[in-house]
Amino acid sequence: QAVVTQEPSLTVSPGGTVTLTCGSSTGAVTSGHYPYWFQQKPGQAPRTLIYATSNKLSWTPARFSGSLLGGKAALTLSGAQPEDEADYYCFLSYSGNWVFGGGTKLTVL
Amino acid sequence: EVQLVQSGAEVKKPGDSLKISCKGSGYNFTTYWIGWVRQMPGKGLEWMGIIYPGDSDTRYSPSFQGQVTISADKSITTAYLQWNSLKASDTAIYYCARLPEVWGQGTTVTVSS
Repeated sequence: QAVVTQEPSLTVSPGGTVTLTCGSSTGAVTSGHYPYWFQQKPGQAPRTLIYATSNKLSWTPARFSGSLLGGKAALTLSGAQPEDEADYYCFLSYSGNWVFGGGTKLTVL
Repeated sequence: EVQLVQSGAEVKKPGDSLKISCKGSGYNFTTYWIGWVRQMPGKGLEWMGIIYPGDSDTRYSPSFQGQVTISADKSITTAYLQWNSLKASDTAIYYCARLPEVWGQGTTVTVSS
């Protein structure tokens, strides 16, 4: 089974910009992996922020964006807010078999 | 409103069987895949498998194949996750999800002697 890799932790200053990445053990991440990004805060269910690389849900704050960058999927947060402190998970499809990344703990400090 | 409502927390003993549920409402239940996700205490999300309630087509993650059974009853718009013999290592929160938009609230399963 493929392994999906994320930074274990990142820190961003309030108002700052940070990029979380999502790599694949099988090679470059492409749009064919339909990358998802989920946000999870302590004690809460996950919430979908981005699907199919860059598509947002109605509740996704405009400061979040998804892309492909250097062979990885990327989630960029521009203008971080204290409420963005959370765990972020990417999620990739391998011909219908889905795999989560290990998650990135984002600290806003 | 589209939502998935999961059954309540369970406390079981090793070797017990268990079936937890995920009831969909506010949409055509038969035309969207529903997936199940495990989150062990203090750990990340793990994809378990997915079912298409329209025809019960089911796909399992290799890590969970043979360990659990995913099913659905479209007449009552409910998906299920089932164990025949629980282990302590099955202690976790289990989420159902209709991607991309909707997640259930989670069901906590505790297996302890």
